[in-house]
Amino acid sequence: GESVGLHLPTLSVQEGDNSIINCAYSNSASDYFIWYKQESGKGPQFIIDIRSNMDKRQGQRVTVLLNKTVKHLSLQIAATQPGDSAVYFCAESRNTGNQFYFGTGTSLTVIP
Amino acid sequence: KAGVTQTPRYLIKTRGQQVTLSCSPISGHRSVSWYQQTPGQGLQFLFEYFSETQRNKGNFPGRFSGRQFSNSRSEMNVSTLELGDSALYLCASSLARDYEQYFGPGTRLTVT
Repeated sequence: GESVGLHLPTLSVQEGDNSIINCAYSNSASDYFIWYKQESGKGPQFIIDIRSNMDKRQGQRVTVLLNKTVKHLSLQIAATQPGDSAVYFCAESRNTGNQFYFGTGTSLTVIP
Repeated sequence: KAGVTQTPRYLIKTRGQQVTLSCSPISGHRSVSWYQQTPGQGLQFLFEYFSETQRNKGNFPGRFSGRQFSNSRSEMNVSTLELGDSALYLCASSLARDYEQYFGPGTRLTVT
C-alpha cells in the first residue's frame, strides 16, 4: 500500500530570534543523546551531544538541556540564521553501544 | 580530516536484484553503523560493526546484511530487493561506544 510520510512538527522563527526545539524520549535507560541537523539531500550533521550525568551543555550558538525526570531534551539555537533552516533530530542511545533511536524530527524554517 | 564517505551516491535497481553499498569511516573510527531513512519510517537502525564484529542489529529481515573489514571500511548488502527497500541508506562512524557519531552523505537507492 501507499506509505504515509511522517508528519514533522514545524517551527518558524524570525532571523535573529532564538529557537527552541523539543524532543521527548520514552526509555529511562537512555544515557547518551545527540542532536543532528539534516539539510535537504544531505546526511545528518552532528550538532551537540549530552550524557545523562549532565543537564546542560553549550556549544557555539547552541545549548542542549536534558530533563531526565520528565524524559525531555531541548535544543536552543541563539540568534537563528537562515542557514539554520533544516530538519533537526534528537537521537538517544540506551547503553547498548552505538544503536541510536531517532525522533521524527522538527522542521525549522528561518524567515529572513 | 576527511569525513565519512559512501559509494555510490545514487543507485537504481530492479526488484529481485541485490545491491552492495560501501562506507569508509573517518580515519581512526572503529565503529560503523548503518541506518535506513524513509519518509514513512524516518531513521531506523540497521546494524553496527566494531572491529569487524557485528555488535548490534536492528529489526530488519535477514535480506539485510553487512560486514566490516580490518581497515574499518564497511559494506552492507541487500538481497532480493523489494520496492519498499527504496530509501536513503546512511552510514555513521564513531571512535567507540557512546561517542560522537558522524554521518556520511548517504546512498539513495531506488528500486523499480
